[in-house]
Amino acid sequence: DQQVKQNSPSLSVQEGRISILNCDYTNSMFDYFLWYKKYPAEGPTFLISISSIKDKNEDGRFTVFLNKSAKHLSLHIVPSQPGDSAVYFCAASPLYNTDKLIFGTGTRLQVFP
Amino acid sequence: EAGVVQSPRYKIIEKKQPVAFWCNPISGHNTLYWYRQNLGQGPELLIRYENEEAVDDSQLPKDRFSAERLKGVDSTLKIQPAELGDSAVYLCASSLRLIANTGELFFGEGSRLTVL
Repeated sequence: DQQVKQNSPSLSVQEGRISILNCDYTNSMFDYFLWYKKYPAEGPTFLISISSIKDKNEDGRFTVFLNKSAKHLSLHIVPSQPGDSAVYFCAASPLYNTDKLIFGTGTRLQVFP
Repeated sequence: EAGVVQSPRYKIIEKKQPVAFWCNPISGHNTLYWYRQNLGQGPELLIRYENEEAVDDSQLPKDRFSAERLKGVDSTLKIQPAELGDSAVYLCASSLRLIANTGELFFGEGSRLTVL
Protein backbone atom coordinates (compact mmCIF):
# COMPACT_ATOMS: atom_id res chain seq x y z
CA ASP A 1 0.00 0.00 0.00
CA GLN A 2 1.73 3.11 -1.28
CA GLN A 3 0.80 5.90 1.13
CA VAL A 4 2.75 8.54 -0.78
CA LYS A 5 2.45 8.48 -4.54
CA GLN A 6 4.32 10.26 -7.24
CA ASN A 7 2.52 9.17 -10.36
CA SER A 8 4.86 10.79 -12.84
CA PRO A 9 8.12 8.88 -12.99
CA SER A 10 9.72 11.51 -15.18
CA LEU A 11 9.33 15.09 -16.34
CA SER A 12 11.18 17.03 -19.00
CA VAL A 13 11.16 20.85 -18.95
CA GLN A 14 12.96 23.52 -20.90
CA GLU A 15 15.37 25.79 -19.06
CA GLY A 16 13.67 28.93 -17.79
CA ARG A 17 10.23 27.40 -17.69
CA ILE A 18 8.29 26.19 -14.66
CA SER A 19 8.66 22.64 -13.38
CA ILE A 20 5.71 21.22 -11.46
CA LEU A 21 6.17 17.98 -9.58
CA ASN A 22 3.13 16.37 -8.01
CA CYS A 23 2.58 14.16 -5.01
CA ASP A 24 -0.53 12.53 -3.56
CA TYR A 25 -0.97 10.89 -0.18
CA THR A 26 -3.61 8.66 1.32
CA ASN A 27 -2.99 8.79 5.06
CA SER A 28 -5.04 11.55 6.70
CA MET A 29 -2.69 11.42 9.71
CA PHE A 30 0.10 12.97 7.66
CA ASP A 31 0.71 16.54 8.74
CA TYR A 32 4.19 17.29 7.56
CA PHE A 33 5.53 17.07 4.05
CA LEU A 34 9.00 17.38 2.59
CA TRP A 35 10.76 17.32 -0.73
CA TYR A 36 14.17 15.79 -1.14
CA LYS A 37 16.38 16.05 -4.20
CA LYS A 38 18.76 13.31 -5.29
CA TYR A 39 21.59 13.45 -7.80
CA PRO A 40 23.03 10.20 -9.21
CA ALA A 41 25.40 8.39 -6.86
CA GLU A 42 24.57 10.79 -4.04
CA GLY A 43 22.24 10.59 -1.08
CA PRO A 44 19.00 12.60 -1.03
CA THR A 45 19.26 16.17 0.24
CA PHE A 46 16.52 18.12 1.94
CA LEU A 47 14.95 20.78 -0.25
CA ILE A 48 11.83 22.27 1.30
CA SER A 49 9.03 21.36 3.69
CA ILE A 50 5.52 22.38 4.66
CA SER A 51 3.28 21.65 7.61
CA SER A 52 -0.46 21.24 7.38
CA ILE A 53 -1.14 24.61 8.98
CA LYS A 54 0.09 26.24 5.79
CA ASP A 55 -0.92 25.90 2.19
CA LYS A 56 2.22 27.37 0.69
CA ASN A 57 5.89 27.62 1.53
CA GLU A 58 8.43 29.41 -0.60
CA ASP A 59 12.21 29.30 -0.68
CA GLY A 60 13.81 31.12 -3.55
CA ARG A 61 12.93 29.39 -6.81
CA PHE A 62 11.16 26.56 -4.97
CA THR A 63 7.56 26.71 -3.76
CA VAL A 64 5.56 23.89 -2.25
CA PHE A 65 1.77 23.99 -2.30
CA LEU A 66 -0.42 21.84 -0.07
CA ASN A 67 -4.08 21.02 -0.69
CA LYS A 68 -5.18 19.06 2.36
CA SER A 69 -8.71 18.40 1.17
CA ALA A 70 -7.36 16.79 -1.98
CA LYS A 71 -4.44 15.16 -0.14
CA HIS A 72 -2.17 16.63 -2.76
CA LEU A 73 1.00 18.65 -2.79
CA SER A 74 3.15 20.02 -5.53
CA LEU A 75 6.61 21.46 -5.92
CA HIS A 76 7.08 24.37 -8.30
CA ILE A 77 10.51 25.33 -9.56
CA VAL A 78 10.65 28.69 -11.30
CA PRO A 79 12.71 29.26 -13.36
CA SER A 80 14.02 25.78 -13.97
CA GLN A 81 17.76 25.41 -14.45
CA PRO A 82 19.83 22.51 -15.86
CA GLY A 83 21.31 21.99 -12.39
CA ASP A 84 17.84 21.14 -11.14
CA SER A 85 17.96 17.90 -13.13
CA ALA A 86 17.66 15.21 -10.45
CA VAL A 87 15.22 12.81 -8.88
CA TYR A 88 12.77 14.49 -6.52
CA PHE A 89 11.20 12.56 -3.66
CA CYS A 90 8.12 13.62 -1.80
CA ALA A 91 7.94 12.46 1.83
CA ALA A 92 5.30 12.70 4.53
CA SER A 93 4.90 12.05 8.24
CA PRO A 94 2.69 12.79 11.21
CA LEU A 95 3.79 16.18 12.55
CA TYR A 96 4.97 14.94 15.92
CA ASN A 97 6.58 11.80 14.60
CA THR A 98 8.77 12.95 11.75
CA ASP A 99 11.01 9.96 12.34
CA LYS A 100 8.37 8.02 10.44
CA LEU A 101 9.01 9.58 7.05
CA ILE A 102 7.27 7.80 4.20
CA PHE A 103 8.84 8.48 0.83
CA GLY A 104 7.24 8.44 -2.58
CA THR A 105 8.82 6.66 -5.54
CA GLY A 106 10.36 9.80 -6.99
CA THR A 107 10.09 11.86 -10.16
CA ARG A 108 13.08 12.28 -12.42
CA LEU A 109 13.27 15.86 -13.64
CA GLN A 110 15.32 16.73 -16.68
CA VAL A 111 15.83 20.39 -17.53
CA PHE A 112 17.18 20.88 -21.03
CA PRO A 113 18.68 24.04 -22.53
CA GLU B 1 31.86 20.04 8.24
CA ALA B 2 32.05 16.44 7.05
CA GLY B 3 28.83 14.83 5.95
CA VAL B 4 27.56 11.33 6.60
CA VAL B 5 30.19 8.85 5.46
CA GLN B 6 29.33 5.36 4.30
CA SER B 7 31.41 2.45 3.11
CA PRO B 8 31.75 0.55 0.95
CA ARG B 9 30.17 2.48 -1.90
CA TYR B 10 29.68 -0.67 -3.93
CA LYS B 11 29.58 -4.33 -3.01
CA ILE B 12 28.97 -7.36 -5.20
CA ILE B 13 28.52 -10.71 -3.50
CA GLU B 14 27.04 -14.09 -4.21
CA LYS B 15 23.85 -15.12 -2.49
CA LYS B 16 24.20 -16.70 0.93
CA GLN B 17 27.35 -14.66 1.59
CA PRO B 18 27.47 -12.14 4.45
CA VAL B 19 27.93 -8.42 3.93
CA ALA B 20 28.37 -5.44 6.22
CA PHE B 21 27.95 -1.72 5.74
CA TRP B 22 29.44 1.00 7.88
CA CYS B 23 28.21 4.50 8.61
CA ASN B 24 29.78 7.46 10.33
CA PRO B 25 27.17 10.15 11.00
CA ILE B 26 27.69 13.88 11.21
CA SER B 27 29.48 14.78 14.42
CA GLY B 28 27.02 15.51 17.21
CA HIS B 29 24.01 13.96 15.48
CA ASN B 30 22.37 11.67 17.98
CA THR B 31 19.78 10.13 15.67
CA LEU B 32 20.90 7.65 13.03
CA TYR B 33 18.81 5.89 10.41
CA TRP B 34 19.36 3.05 7.99
CA TYR B 35 17.17 3.12 4.90
CA ARG B 36 16.94 0.72 1.99
CA GLN B 37 16.16 1.99 -1.48
CA ASN B 38 15.12 -0.54 -4.08
CA LEU B 39 15.41 0.29 -7.75
CA GLY B 40 12.70 2.73 -8.79
CA GLN B 41 11.43 3.17 -5.26
CA GLY B 42 11.81 5.68 -2.48
CA PRO B 43 13.88 5.03 0.64
CA GLU B 44 12.28 2.79 3.26
CA LEU B 45 13.27 2.91 6.91
CA LEU B 46 14.95 -0.19 8.30
CA ILE B 47 16.04 0.98 11.73
CA ARG B 48 16.43 4.15 13.75
CA TYR B 49 18.82 4.78 16.62
CA GLU B 50 18.67 7.40 19.33
CA ASN B 51 22.25 7.43 20.54
CA GLU B 52 23.08 3.74 20.99
CA GLU B 53 19.49 2.57 21.43
CA ALA B 54 17.50 1.10 18.56
CA VAL B 55 14.14 2.81 19.06
CA ASP B 56 12.44 1.62 15.87
CA ASP B 57 13.47 -1.60 14.18
CA SER B 58 10.00 -2.70 13.18
CA GLN B 59 10.91 -2.79 9.48
CA LEU B 60 14.19 -4.64 9.91
CA PRO B 61 14.03 -8.29 8.70
CA LYS B 62 15.49 -9.71 11.84
CA ASP B 63 16.07 -13.21 10.52
CA ARG B 64 18.98 -12.05 8.40
CA PHE B 65 19.58 -8.37 9.15
CA SER B 66 21.28 -6.98 12.21
CA ALA B 67 22.56 -3.57 13.16
CA GLU B 68 24.50 -2.00 15.94
CA ARG B 69 25.59 1.44 17.01
CA LEU B 70 28.21 1.02 19.66
CA LYS B 71 29.02 4.12 21.71
CA GLY B 72 26.25 5.98 19.93
CA VAL B 73 28.40 7.12 17.02
CA ASP B 74 29.30 4.80 14.13
CA SER B 75 26.91 2.12 13.02
CA THR B 76 27.09 -1.10 11.06
CA LEU B 77 24.36 -2.92 9.20
CA LYS B 78 24.88 -6.60 8.48
CA ILE B 79 23.10 -9.05 6.24
CA GLN B 80 23.73 -12.75 6.73
CA PRO B 81 23.04 -14.60 4.56
CA ALA B 82 22.28 -12.27 1.66
CA GLU B 83 19.49 -13.09 -0.78
CA LEU B 84 18.93 -11.94 -4.35
CA GLY B 85 16.15 -9.63 -3.19
CA ASP B 86 18.55 -7.74 -0.94
CA SER B 87 20.08 -6.01 -3.93
CA ALA B 88 19.46 -2.33 -3.23
CA VAL B 89 21.11 0.88 -2.09
CA TYR B 90 21.51 1.06 1.67
CA LEU B 91 21.38 4.64 2.87
CA CYS B 92 22.50 5.92 6.22
CA ALA B 93 21.17 9.23 7.52
CA SER B 94 21.62 11.25 10.66
CA SER B 95 20.02 14.21 12.36
CA LEU B 96 20.02 16.23 15.54
CA ARG B 97 17.00 15.41 17.64
CA LEU B 98 15.59 18.94 17.30
CA ILE B 99 16.07 19.00 13.56
CA ALA B 100 14.59 15.52 13.33
CA ASN B 101 11.31 17.07 14.35
CA THR B 102 11.40 18.97 11.08
CA GLY B 103 12.16 15.88 9.08
CA GLU B 104 15.49 17.17 7.84
CA LEU B 105 17.74 14.18 7.54
CA PHE B 106 21.27 14.24 6.23
CA PHE B 107 21.95 11.26 4.03
CA GLY B 108 25.19 9.59 3.07
CA GLU B 109 25.96 8.62 -0.51
CA GLY B 110 24.74 5.10 0.07
CA SER B 111 26.14 1.60 -0.34
CA ARG B 112 24.98 -0.18 -3.47
CA LEU B 113 24.66 -3.92 -2.94
CA THR B 114 24.38 -6.39 -5.80
CA VAL B 115 23.65 -10.00 -4.89
CA LEU B 116 24.35 -12.52 -7.67
